[in-house]
Amino acid sequence: NAGVTQTPKFQVLKTGQSMTLQCAQDMNHNSMYWYRQDPGMGLRLIYYSASEGTTDKGEVPNGYNVSRLNKREFSLRLESAAPSQTSVYFCASSGPYLGQPQHFGDGTRLSIL
Amino acid sequence: GQQVMQIPQYQHVQEGEDFTTYCNSSTTLSNIQWYKQRPGGHPVFLIQLVKSGEVKKQKRLTFQFGEAKKNSSLHITATQTTDVGTYFCAGYSNSGYALNFGKGTSLLVTP
Repeated sequence: NAGVTQTPKFQVLKTGQSMTLQCAQDMNHNSMYWYRQDPGMGLRLIYYSASEGTTDKGEVPNGYNVSRLNKREFSLRLESAAPSQTSVYFCASSGPYLGQPQHFGDGTRLSIL
Repeated sequence: GQQVMQIPQYQHVQEGEDFTTYCNSSTTLSNIQWYKQRPGGHPVFLIQLVKSGEVKKQKRLTFQFGEAKKNSSLHITATQTTDVGTYFCAGYSNSGYALNFGKGTSLLVTP
């Protein structure tokens, strides 16, 4: 049972390049989330998907897009990467009821030069 | 919007000393969750508190939820080096789907 799987684990981009971070969960969870974590800032929600077919903005959505491809998969896209988007990105899932604990992937460490 | 604040930001203790981190919300929480993140790792769910005044224990860890459901604390008795990491509290937004995390308390335990 893999839980939440994120790919890639590490990535270096140049400013202006685009990239999609992948996330998949095998726990049949309804809700999925993307966070970024920066030193001293804790975890900040970028986007979330309460259920298949829906997505909503979180605290810091600018510069990102998401796709809930199906119940298992939730991807995060950077269309034109900027150095300010250098961060560790975590995907998480929860469900099936409101207020459930979240299960996190191992993270993607992204550097933008 | 709802804000969740945690203090202290950092804590350095000698092994065997106690440790407490505090969490305060600007609004009433339906529940509060605590997570631990080891250095280089990902957040891992520890516990959820739902009831006003609730106290839960996990071995050396004691979690409390305030009577007004706006504050919480995590107390670790006799810290060990395995307790090293960052402890986050988090509360759900009014929608019930978005979890608002505090900035965390980083605990360093020196042998």
